[in-house]
Amino acid sequence: DQQVKQNSPSLSVQEGRISILNCDYTNSMFDYFLWYKKYPAEGPTFLISISSIKDKNEDGRFTVFLNKSAKHLSLHIVPSQPGDSAVYFCAASNQAGTALIFGKGTTLSVSS
Amino acid sequence: DVKVTQSSRYLVKRTGEKVFLECVQDMDHENMFWYRQDPGLGLRLIYFSYDVKMKEKGDIPEGYSVSREKKERFSLILESASTNQTSMYLCASFNPTNEKLFFGSGTQLSVL
Repeated sequence: DQQVKQNSPSLSVQEGRISILNCDYTNSMFDYFLWYKKYPAEGPTFLISISSIKDKNEDGRFTVFLNKSAKHLSLHIVPSQPGDSAVYFCAASNQAGTALIFGKGTTLSVSS
Repeated sequence: DVKVTQSSRYLVKRTGEKVFLECVQDMDHENMFWYRQDPGLGLRLIYFSYDVKMKEKGDIPEGYSVSREKKERFSLILESASTNQTSMYLCASFNPTNEKLFFGSGTQLSVL
């Protein structure tokens, strides 16, 4: 059974608008969450993370929101740029440094 | 920044061959991981290691083994390659200082 779910396989957004990528998890023991971005033929690169003691973390155009009661997190990209077009993976673990469980990914396409 | 190097970007092997995928990191990290990425399935954990000579099974260890004789090197072994092991293989190393997981560029393995 999937512990980390990204229910939208794809998302299309216009340049300058907000991109919102969603992720749900089932394991209440997860307390560390990350977002990774992946371009074709490259390894995933770290984007942003959040621990369970926070409900929001910002880094430039990227903000991650965590709703522990709903077991839901989201990544907001504002404003979206064509270079943001990639596959975005949500990941979770029950302790930083332990094995990450990844979602299936959401392909974001930002059109100019 | 951390460098995680996977020895081959592309590999073509025949069914039944023994395959070695090598991964080296240059930052003396203890935690290293092997994932495979398949379309529609995201990243799935095969094996991980918390220290030299230590290994733990991930979600899909069947058909694979690993070796961690030195801290910097974590090898994934396909004992007898099969066509369903055709995939993108990603090695990762965990940096405890900034709590980030760094990925290599990946090895695209085709088993014919």
